[in-house]
Amino acid sequence: EAQVTQNPRYLITVTGKKLTVTCSQNMNHEYMSWYRQDPGLGLRQIYYSMNVEVTDKGDVPEGYKVSRKEKRNFPLILESPSPNQTSLYFCASTRTGSGETQYFGPGTRLLVL
Amino acid sequence: RKEVEQDPGPFNVPEGATVAFNCTYSNSASQSFFWYRQDCRKEPKLLMSVYSSGNEDGRFTAQLNRASQYISLLIRDSKLSDSATYLCVVNEGGRRALTFGSGTRLQVQP
Repeated sequence: EAQVTQNPRYLITVTGKKLTVTCSQNMNHEYMSWYRQDPGLGLRQIYYSMNVEVTDKGDVPEGYKVSRKEKRNFPLILESPSPNQTSLYFCASTRTGSGETQYFGPGTRLLVL
Repeated sequence: RKEVEQDPGPFNVPEGATVAFNCTYSNSASQSFFWYRQDCRKEPKLLMSVYSSGNEDGRFTAQLNRASQYISLLIRDSKLSDSATYLCVVNEGGRRALTFGSGTRLQVQP
């Protein structure tokens, strides 16, 4: 089954404690993205990757890092989480990034205390 | 100014009603357009693409007006299961894939 998986689905942490949210897709897609979704603001892109070892900033990259060492995986790293990073996070992938359908993971709900 | 703007709603309609949502976008060079559906606390899923000539998929009709830079979604004969948030999505081209509106919430009532 074609899918995007994320882990963990729910996470409560404290300010400053490094965390990683994993994302994996099994569709051999080149393009992967991370979004955060906040009430009234919609989905905002954090980082994206057009292929292995190619990553770039989206609209709200501050406080986040990503890596793309393999095509299927695109982890999101919060080196020192802060309460304003409390949000719902989605990973997504698409074949080429040219506006085709994006497939989303189920989301990770993060609370930073 | 937001790049993609939608009325947040909620739109509360009875079953069987026809309801329409509009969305405006600011970048005249935008290349492709979509409506996504998002159920509460779930991931967005593609509802339909929007083509210049307009397109229909069952009870759903999408239209694009490039001159006025707006996109519409019409839902006929609303069902309870149509209750969700509808996201207007624009591909502005370049290296970023998609820009999302903040969504319009629809609540269909029995």
